[in-house]
Amino acid sequence: DGGITQSPKYLFRKEGQNVTLSCEQNLNHDAMYWYRQDPGQGLRLIYYSQIVNDFQKGDIAEGYSVSREKKESFPLTVTSAQKNPTAFYLCASSVEGVGGYTFGSGTRLTVV
Amino acid sequence: GIQVEQSPPDLILQEGANSTLRCNFSDSVNNLQWFHQNPWGQLINLFYIPSGTKQNGRLSATTVATERYSLLYISSSQTTDSGVYFCAVLAGNNRKLIWGLGTSLAVNP
Repeated sequence: DGGITQSPKYLFRKEGQNVTLSCEQNLNHDAMYWYRQDPGQGLRLIYYSQIVNDFQKGDIAEGYSVSREKKESFPLTVTSAQKNPTAFYLCASSVEGVGGYTFGSGTRLTVV
Repeated sequence: GIQVEQSPPDLILQEGANSTLRCNFSDSVNNLQWFHQNPWGQLINLFYIPSGTKQNGRLSATTVATERYSLLYISSSQTTDSGVYFCAVLAGNNRKLIWGLGTSLAVNP
């Protein structure tokens, strides 16, 4: 079955460490997205990519980095520059500009 | 930029009741989606509905683009319908979905 796989489901990070969240899709979607969700809040866009080897900053890109070397993969790195990284991170994909989005099951990141 | 407002912010229902959730948007849109986020965080796309009416089982949605609103109907609610319902839109050349703050629904047995 086609879908989006995010891993790990739970992640604990020490302050000062970089961590990378994985997002893989087999839907053949061109566009992929990373969102952050804080408790009781809506979704905020971190980065998005419309095509391989290209990506754009969203509304809260500071302290994050991404790559899009393959159509299927859009990993997110949370760097030590991100001051408040504890949150729920969601990856999504879509056919560019049309249709519905498909979301992964999310990664809960906690800084300890 | 375009504004998306959802109402009500919170809703409590008894199992079996019907409900209507509303999404207002401040400008013309070319993409409107309804999502359900379950208590474990999984977001499921319910409808892609920039205009017209669609139905899927006990759920249906109507978007009246000219009047800038969309409605999500839940009939014969079940406890598994609990969670947060989000509306999100795309407008013009904007590549980013604009999200409402959601309606938090609790269905009690």
